[in-house]
Amino acid sequence: DQQVKQNSPSLSVQEGRISILNCDYTNSMFDYFLWYKKYPAEGPTFLISISSIKDKNEDGRFTVFLNKSAKHLSLHIVPSQPGDSAVYFCAASARFTGGGNKLTFGTGTQLKVEL
Amino acid sequence: DAGVTQSPTHLIKTRGQQVTLRCSPKSGHDTVSWYQQALGQGPQFIFQYYEEEERQRGNFPDRFSGHQFPNYSSELNVNALLLGDSALYLCASSSGTEELLFFGSGTQLSVL
Repeated sequence: DQQVKQNSPSLSVQEGRISILNCDYTNSMFDYFLWYKKYPAEGPTFLISISSIKDKNEDGRFTVFLNKSAKHLSLHIVPSQPGDSAVYFCAASARFTGGGNKLTFGTGTQLKVEL
Repeated sequence: DAGVTQSPTHLIKTRGQQVTLRCSPKSGHDTVSWYQQALGQGPQFIFQYYEEEERQRGNFPDRFSGHQFPNYSSELNVNALLLGDSALYLCASSSGTEELLFFGSGTQLSVL
């Protein structure tokens, strides 16, 4: 039962254009969403997050949009740069009763930004 | 400020053996979580440690166990290794009620 889905395994865009990465989730208990970027042989690096009480969060070239009714979020990167080429993971957080939380990850989207 | 550090970076074991992976959390963090990332998949939650206790566990067998020390560092132990245990094992740390996790670079485990 995959609760977080990234249906596009790969995406290729030209430098300077917009990259849009999508993510869908099924569990209404998720209250916080994150995007991580991962290079080969490295751990995931936090990129940007959004609380379930918001519908947009922006940080420089990166913007995350959340549509709770559709259980959908997206990451926009504009303008895209060659250094953005990496695997991007969408993650959703659920809190434990009594404290703590766990992240449920999608399977990732390989973004390639071409010159 | 050191981030999350893991050791070793790579490990090769044979079926049936046991392995111990180590993690030091980011400075100021008191909670450590372990994730397994198989090839082509997203990381899967194994368990989380807080105040030296396992706070929550994912869908992993009892062959997977852990420990957290008073200095908040942590170990992941896997007994009776199977070929399917080959994966990247990621440690993540967090602080208090924060939901943001910071990840280490991982330990690549190969079981032959």
